[in-house]
Amino acid sequence: EAQVTQNPRYLITVTGKKLTVTCSQNMNHEYMSWYRQDPGLGLRQIYYSMNVEVTDKGDVPEGYKVSRKEKRNFPLILESPSPNQTSLYFCASSPTDRGRTDTQYFGPGTRLTVL
Amino acid sequence: AQTVTQSQPEMSVQEAETVTLSCTYDTSESNYYLFWYKQPPSRQMILVIRQEAYKQQNATENRFSVNFQKAAKSFSLKISDSQLGDTAMYFCAFTTDNYGQNFVFGPGTRLSVLP
Repeated sequence: EAQVTQNPRYLITVTGKKLTVTCSQNMNHEYMSWYRQDPGLGLRQIYYSMNVEVTDKGDVPEGYKVSRKEKRNFPLILESPSPNQTSLYFCASSPTDRGRTDTQYFGPGTRLTVL
Repeated sequence: AQTVTQSQPEMSVQEAETVTLSCTYDTSESNYYLFWYKQPPSRQMILVIRQEAYKQQNATENRFSVNFQKAAKSFSLKISDSQLGDTAMYFCAFTTDNYGQNFVFGPGTRLSVLP
């Protein structure tokens, strides 16, 4: 089954404790992206990757890191989480055509709470 | 900046009735894709419908159809014969053909289908 998986689905942590949210897709998509969803703000892009070893900042990259060492994986790293990073996080992937992304396929979401 | 506006934060409709959700966007690009995504209480992001900007014909998917007005930069979603399972948050989004261009979402419209 074609899908995007994220782990963990739920995470409660404390300020300053490094964490990683994993994301994996099995559709051989070039493009992958991370979003955070907050009430009234819709989805805001954190980072995206057009292909292996190619990543770029989205609209709200502060406090986050990503890496793209393999095509299928795109982990999101919070080196020193803070309470304002409490949010619902989505990973997504998309095929590309001459650099243009198309339909985004989303993972199930990760609910992160930073105390 | 490229933006998406959804002017109706909340809407409700009686079961079996028809409802239209509004979306306007702003971009200087001429070629782009437009999307409506549905997020039910499960939080999963589900693609509802997709429209290519260079196609004049409005996209349809079963009970879902769009009214795409390119000159007005308007992309409304019509849901016919509303069902209880249509209760969800609906997000309008678009992506352009610029290399690496972000996928931009609106803030969402919460739709409640009433029995």
